[in-house]
Amino acid sequence: QVQLQESGPGLVKPSQTLSLTCTVSGGSIASDNYYWSLIRQPAGKGLEWIGRIYGSGSTTYNPSLKSRVTILLDTSTNQFSLKLTSVTAADTAVYYCARHDCRRGSCYIDSWGQGTLVTVSS
Amino acid sequence: QSVLTQPPSVSGAPGQRVTISCSGSSSNIGAGYDVHWYQQVPGTAPKLLIYGYSNRPSGVPDRFSGSKSGTSASLAITGLQAEDAADYYCQSYDSGLSGWDVVFGGGTKLTVL
Repeated sequence: QVQLQESGPGLVKPSQTLSLTCTVSGGSIASDNYYWSLIRQPAGKGLEWIGRIYGSGSTTYNPSLKSRVTILLDTSTNQFSLKLTSVTAADTAVYYCARHDCRRGSCYIDSWGQGTLVTVSS
Repeated sequence: QSVLTQPPSVSGAPGQRVTISCSGSSSNIGAGYDVHWYQQVPGTAPKLLIYGYSNRPSGVPDRFSGSKSGTSASLAITGLQAEDAADYYCQSYDSGLSGWDVVFGGGTKLTVL
């Protein structure tokens, strides 16, 4: 059973860079059957997809965040990571790591991390 | 503003049937992209409920079913139970400049009366 765990600072100052790491256990991050996403959820609001990365390292980002987002993959540690630059209070949210399972001809999220709250405040 | 539109809330009494709609457009659901549904109990991560419009993962009761029609999808819950009270999200894909982007509905809060 794959498990995902988010880690990173819970507090980031405005204009700085938010960094978050997702550690995957119980499965290889390099598998061709899956890809990996970062998703966030402001308090009391809905889910917002930030971007995804494949085991090859190829990425796609939400157009609304693209200029500030970088997602990287490290197969040696079985981790992927998020960097979000120039943060503001609007970036305060619970951030989730997620795995998309693509083995059945359709890619859906079958595993989520528990989520980590990141607050942007001075 | 979400790409996929869901009603903010629905409600029903125990034992009743409720449906949650997910309205899209020709660039997402209407383009043939799959729709998936997730259930989120407040304070926890979402959980997969339906994938590929109408398929249930193992462990999901057959009270939950999904369907598609044109540019919309629906989630139906029959025999409503108190434990079904949660937020429900649809998810699909949208044709963007870089290929296809993951998109979510705004979420629907289900209240069991």
